[in-house]
Amino acid sequence: DARVTQTPRHKVTEMGQEVTMRCQPILGHNTVFWYRQTMMQGLELLAYFRNRAPLDDSGMPKDRFSAEMPDATLATLKIQPSEPRDSAVYFCASGLHTGSQTGELFFGEGSRLTVL
Amino acid sequence: SQQGEEDPQALSIQEGENATMNCSYKTSINNLQWYRQNSGRGLVHLILIRSNEREKHSGRLRVTLDTSKKSSSLLITASRAADTASYFCATGMNRDDKIIFGKGTRLHILP
Repeated sequence: DARVTQTPRHKVTEMGQEVTMRCQPILGHNTVFWYRQTMMQGLELLAYFRNRAPLDDSGMPKDRFSAEMPDATLATLKIQPSEPRDSAVYFCASGLHTGSQTGELFFGEGSRLTVL
Repeated sequence: SQQGEEDPQALSIQEGENATMNCSYKTSINNLQWYRQNSGRGLVHLILIRSNEREKHSGRLRVTLDTSKKSSSLLITASRAADTASYFCATGMNRDDKIIFGKGTRLHILP
């Protein structure tokens, strides 16, 4: 049963600490998205990759956030240093881009981050 | 920034009634998708409609797309308690294939 796996599911940390979230996309998918969900802002697109290359990370605060795909089975989102306003649920989603568009996205269960 | 905006923000209806949610967007799209999210879970894909399609059905779901008005609607017929969830529209941008989500509609089905 193919699914997107995210770790950790929950993370509580103190302000200033580094946080790394990991995502294993579905095998064969060539596109990976990172979203952040809060009550106030809804689902915000942070970054996305195609064939491991970053296409857009304009949604991320550049000074503290970074996203990478070291290989086709792993995407990472790092926050350093973390701040209380980063508290949110972070979702990874993968999909298949064919022709000129990406089809349905498959979401992980999310990483709930709380920064104290 | 949000591309799609759902309307209404929240909707409560009796079980068995039909639920209609609307989505408006701003720029040219490749496709529009609807997703469902149960509390505390990830989003689940419901249906995708391409920019050259006007209507699509899947079980009790019916989606329409009007590209001239930049709007879409999701109709859930014969609602059930299990349909209680948040529903999101997502637009696949024509220019760069970003997929942008709206803020969602919270649907509550009353028994």
